[in-house]
Amino acid sequence: EAGVTQFPSHSVIEKGQTVTLRCDPISGHDNLYWYRRVMGKEIKFLLHFVKESKQDESGMPNNRFLAERTGGTYSTLKVQPAELEDSGVYFCASSPRGGAFPTWGYTFGSGTRLTVV
Amino acid sequence: GQNIDQPTEMTATEGAIVQINCTYQTSGFNGLFWYQQHAGEAPTFLSYNVLDGLEEKGRFSSFLSRSKGYSYLLLKELQMKDSASYLCAVYTDKLIFGTGTRLQVFP
Repeated sequence: EAGVTQFPSHSVIEKGQTVTLRCDPISGHDNLYWYRRVMGKEIKFLLHFVKESKQDESGMPNNRFLAERTGGTYSTLKVQPAELEDSGVYFCASSPRGGAFPTWGYTFGSGTRLTVV
Repeated sequence: GQNIDQPTEMTATEGAIVQINCTYQTSGFNGLFWYQQHAGEAPTFLSYNVLDGLEEKGRFSSFLSRSKGYSYLLLKELQMKDSASYLCAVYTDKLIFGTGTRLQVFP
């Protein structure tokens, strides 16, 4: 089965520009998560979709970040306008539908490295 | 608050044994995961503990003490390819990560 795919793998943009990151979860996984790792810090939770609904968006830093998952398949994370502190690696992960938590945890994508200059 | 602590870096020699410790204080606990992450790649699942004790999987073992808020990952017969970051993560209602431990294995 295909894994979690993220596009682009790298993005360099200027402060004030807009960037959209995309995540394609494993087919059939209802749960989709966005995480971010800023240099030197831990991987931090941003938000969680169950199908197309936002289950938990408590980790979103501010209203410059907008996540969508139309149709409950792939998801996009838009940063507008980007600031220098938004630089980091953005990870997406997915897991199957609810019920018993999978003992293998989430399946992660390779991440998008965002650099804001 | 949520707090998960791991050493930042460790070094070891090929063929040796290394233990990576993780202590946690979280609001809620539904299991502890260890992930391996090579530079530029996705974190990949290594182990899961939800009950106290040791889980063994080949060269890798993970231990959990819920009363002490403590876990460790034990890597035996180290190989050069084990050079990576090792992430401790607690599942509450979502995965919460520590900062990770960068392990370098030398010949």
